[in-house]
Amino acid sequence: DVKVTQSSRYLVKRTGEKVFLECVQDMDHENMFWYRQDPGLGLRLIYFSYDVKMKEKGDIPEGYSVSREKKERFSLILESASTNQTSMYLCASSLAGPGYDGYTFGSGTRLTVV
Amino acid sequence: SQQGEEDPQALSIQEGENATMNCSYKTSINNLQWYRQNSGRGLVHLILIRSNEREKHSGRLRVTLDTSKKSSSLLITASRAADTASYFCATVHNNAGNMLTFGGGTRLMVKP
Repeated sequence: DVKVTQSSRYLVKRTGEKVFLECVQDMDHENMFWYRQDPGLGLRLIYFSYDVKMKEKGDIPEGYSVSREKKERFSLILESASTNQTSMYLCASSLAGPGYDGYTFGSGTRLTVV
Repeated sequence: SQQGEEDPQALSIQEGENATMNCSYKTSINNLQWYRQNSGRGLVHLILIRSNEREKHSGRLRVTLDTSKKSSSLLITASRAADTASYFCATVHNNAGNMLTFGGGTRLMVKP
């Protein structure tokens, strides 16, 4: 069964810490995405990547960066965590672009910044 | 915003009944997708319908698309308690670099 695995289900970090959220897919997918999900705001795209070492900003990239050194791994980095980054973070991947293919999502990481 | 909007925001039905959720969007699309999310979990892709299609079926799911009205509906027939979840429509817009944009979701509760 194809999988997108996010390294942590729950995470608690302190304000100002550098936080790494890891996402690994085993489907040889080209495309990977990071979303955050907040009540009343739905899912918002933070960053995405169509290839190794390639990244594109989504709708809300401020305060985040990403790394894609290998095809199967896409990391989201919070350079200096703040309380307004408390959220559910969802990683997704797809074989083709969204014009052709549905996304496979990970189970999510619920991050709390205190 | 190009975000789709689901209607209703919440729906409660009895097991065995049909559930209908609607999605509207603002600008022309390449395709529209429906996803399910169980509480606190990731999203699961249910069905994709292209702009030149009007209806698609998958098991107990039926999706329709009316591009003239910029709307779609998801019908779940003979609902089960296990269908309790949030359902999201997501659109790929022709002028948005093929990115997927999600609506706010419909929370469906199916009572046994």
